[in-house]
Amino acid sequence: GAVVSQHPSWVICKSGTSVKIECRSLDFQATTMFWYRQFPKQSLMLMATSNEGSKATYEQGVEKDKFLINHASLTLSTLTVTSAHPEDSSFYICSARWTSSYEQYFGPGTRLTVT
Amino acid sequence: DQQVKQNSPSLSVQEGRISILNCDYTNSMFDYFLWYKKYPAEGPTFLISISSIKDKNEDGRFTVFLNKSAKHLSLHIVPSQPGDSAVYFCAAKETSGSRLTFGEGTQLTVNP
Repeated sequence: GAVVSQHPSWVICKSGTSVKIECRSLDFQATTMFWYRQFPKQSLMLMATSNEGSKATYEQGVEKDKFLINHASLTLSTLTVTSAHPEDSSFYICSARWTSSYEQYFGPGTRLTVT
Repeated sequence: DQQVKQNSPSLSVQEGRISILNCDYTNSMFDYFLWYKKYPAEGPTFLISISSIKDKNEDGRFTVFLNKSAKHLSLHIVPSQPGDSAVYFCAAKETSGSRLTFGEGTQLTVNP
């Protein structure tokens, strides 16, 4: 149980284009989803928290107009990297939890490379 | 300000022996702690957790110990297996809210 999927697993895009990453909870209803970013050999940095049907809460320093998050249903959240630049290249990971759980269950991650 | 710290970037142990991974925290508002295991290019996998009202939680080969007065927790893996080789992250949750703060991770290598 508690399976989270992400799509795509890797993507290469040109600078200036936008990329959408999907995060789905497959066997539970995710009242809260989280988006993280991980640079090589570094920890997971929380970008934003989203509750179903509400606007996402972004961490300090994360541009909300650049990283658009939508959590329209209890099983799906999307992260859109708008006007991507090479410095946005990273490993993006989502996680999800249900209301009564403190544990977050993570997706497999998406490797984004912007050329 | 790193509120959750894993001071050992790497640890190497022999198969069958005990692995002890350590984590320190500074925020007194943390009330729930978790350990995750991560392989390269994959998302973290939840291992075990502990509430601040407990000092020990055990699940199979994994045991987490919490010392609140020292603001220290540790993960014990006994016996260690080569498949345990991965990066281990500790994470902590504040009393209010659901966000987790992660440590920097410790690379565990279990040698056959």
